[in-house]
Amino acid sequence: AQTVTQSQPEMSVQEAETVTLSCTYDTSESNYYLFWYKQPPSRQMILVIRQEAYKQQNATENRFSVNFQKAAKSFSLKISDSQLGDTAMYFCAFMKAGYALNFGKGTSLLVTP
Amino acid sequence: GAVVSQHPSRVICKSGTSVKIECRSLDFQATTMFWYRQFPKKSLMLMATSNEGSKATYEQGVEKDKFLINHASLTLSTLTVTSAHPEDSSFYICSARATSGGRTDTQYFGPGTRLTVL
Repeated sequence: AQTVTQSQPEMSVQEAETVTLSCTYDTSESNYYLFWYKQPPSRQMILVIRQEAYKQQNATENRFSVNFQKAAKSFSLKISDSQLGDTAMYFCAFMKAGYALNFGKGTSLLVTP
Repeated sequence: GAVVSQHPSRVICKSGTSVKIECRSLDFQATTMFWYRQFPKKSLMLMATSNEGSKATYEQGVEKDKFLINHASLTLSTLTVTSAHPEDSSFYICSARATSGGRTDTQYFGPGTRLTVL
């Protein structure tokens, strides 16, 4: 079974600063995907970024980027130039190809003025 | 693109009644849809995997006779909570994986349904 661990239950960052959210996972699979989802107070799950395990290059989406360390089974999310709208719960998720998502427990991020 | 709707967004019902929640992929076809349950300040817990035209696969500990899932078309899956009780009160979220019209290795989520059983 795959497990996803987010060791930071809560984090805080000031507007315009950079913050990194941690995620580690455990799997014996070789074909899998990793995701970061954002859940704002509206509770709508929003895809932030995805990474295919077979790709060595780290994914980026505007202010969001990941540091994917496959050997270490680490998948951290960096948010640059943090904005108030980034305040949300962030979930790291693992997906074996063709299967459901396994979520971590989440990190609550608060962006302060 | 890749929009998923859920209806209703909120429902309040009396104990013992049944409630149906619909999950629709609006602009893509989804062979597979997933149903999750989320308690306050907690992560999403997978309840079942719904495959079009076949029986759903339930996770361990989820009562299949209580949470009936039907996936009759490539754009619609329904979750029916039968004989609901207060402990079934929760936030239910569906997601859909695109067969075509979207990324087939990504799940797109509906906005969720808040169920309150009195």
